[in-house]
Amino acid sequence: KAGVTQTPRYLIKTRGQQVTLSCSPISGHRSVSWYQQTPGQGLQFLFEYFSETQRNKGNFPGRFSGRQFSNSRSEMNVSTLELGDSALYLCASSSVWTDTQYFGPGTRLTVL
Amino acid sequence: AQKVTQAQTEISVVEKEDVTLDCVYETRDTTYYLFWYKQPPSGELVFLIRRNSFDEQNEISGRYSWNFQKSTSSFNFTITASQVVDSAVYFCALFSYNTDKLIFGTGTRLQVFP
Repeated sequence: KAGVTQTPRYLIKTRGQQVTLSCSPISGHRSVSWYQQTPGQGLQFLFEYFSETQRNKGNFPGRFSGRQFSNSRSEMNVSTLELGDSALYLCASSSVWTDTQYFGPGTRLTVL
Repeated sequence: AQKVTQAQTEISVVEKEDVTLDCVYETRDTTYYLFWYKQPPSGELVFLIRRNSFDEQNEISGRYSWNFQKSTSSFNFTITASQVVDSAVYFCALFSYNTDKLIFGTGTRLQVFP
C-alpha cells in the first residue's frame, strides 16, 4: 500500500499571501489529521477530518482552515501568511479500525 | 490535562552502545494509547509502536524494546547495540478519546557516532 503523500514538499511564500497544502491518505483511511511542527512550539495539532467533516480542532487562528473530499483527500489552507507560519506541516491518516496515525513526508513552508 | 514529557533533549552515543529514551506522560483518562515515532532528517514521522493503557507487557522488536509502567506513568524506549542509522529525533505521544488527538513530547535527538 502506498503511504501518505503530501504536495508540494516545499513552498516559499511572502507575508500576506495564502497557501494550500494537499494530503492524500493511505488507501482506505478516512481520517486525516494535520500538525504543525516548529522548533519553538514542537508538534502541534491543527485539525482532524473524518468523512468530510471536521471532527476536532486545535488552538490555531481562523486563518488556518481545511477540508476533506469524498475520496478522503484533504487540503489545508493558510490565509494572510505571517512569518511565524514558517513550519513543517505534517499530515497523518488513520483507519476506523485503529487510532494509529501514519504520517506523510510533510510540506516545508517558508514565509519571507 | 494531558502532557508528555521527554526530559532528554539530546543524547549522543557511540555505535553498539545501548541507549534508553525516557517518556513520562500525564492523563486522567483510564483508556489511552501511547506511541513512539521516529523522525529522520527527511522529516517524515515513522510509526514505531502503539501500546494501549491496559497492556503493560513489555515489547521487543529486533533491537528495539519498550518498557511501559503505569505505576510511574512511563513508556521508555531502549535501542540495543545502536547503529548510525538510528540517528534521528524520537517522539513519544499520547492519545485518548477525550482529546481525540495526538499529544507529542518535545522529542529526543539521538546521535549515534561511528
